Amino acid sequence: GAVVSQHPSRVICKSGTSVKIECRSLDFQATTMFWYRQFPKQSLMLMATSNEGSKATYEQGVEKDKFLINHASLTLSTLTVTSAHPEDSSFYICSARRQSNTGELFFGEGSRLTVL
Amino acid sequence: AQSVTQLDSHVSVSEGTPVLLRCNYSSSYSPSLFWYVQHPNKGLQLLLKYTSAATLVKGINGFEAEFKKSETSFHLTKPSAHMSDAAEYFCVVSLSSGNTPLVFGKGTRLSVIA
Repeated sequence: GAVVSQHPSRVICKSGTSVKIECRSLDFQATTMFWYRQFPKQSLMLMATSNEGSKATYEQGVEKDKFLINHASLTLSTLTVTSAHPEDSSFYICSARRQSNTGELFFGEGSRLTVL
Repeated sequence: AQSVTQLDSHVSVSEGTPVLLRCNYSSSYSPSLFWYVQHPNKGLQLLLKYTSAATLVKGINGFEAEFKKSETSFHLTKPSAHMSDAAEYFCVVSLSSGNTPLVFGKGTRLSVIA
């Protein structure tokens, strides 16, 4: 099956620093990628939809200046958490949809961010 | 608008007994429906999907689900639970293509007792 790689899997940073998380579709082209956030023991919350070559579409309540999303190529989207604070600590998961596929999303392994 | 309701937040079964994880959906259009499994600190793995073909869908690891339009349900079942099935399970609905994101249920945590 299709593979989506997410890096880093774990990151610990100090409050006030910025952290970049990469999401790559390894064996297919993904014109659309999605970024989700998952709090402990909760479901996934969609943060934004990332379209290759255009600005991301953010869900209501998600700060676009806080969570910068770039989708510069058909195989790579990045999420940058700017000036991270402890409340940004969470599990971030990306997913990608292959164009020819009937709606199935392929998920990365997730990135656990801990802000001290 | 689409929505998904997973009726149980936690299900506990004994190893070797059947598993039933319930899911009801709401969709204005013919939906695609999925079940994903998530093990601790891991991403999501697709178990099975329904995309308007056969209503009984067979997935990996012995799981299957039946799409019942009259009941707007898509319950996940397995005849015999294994210890490795212990995980979080998400029922998901989507329009079939394009930029439409998936809508997730709140998840059901499955515990398997030896």
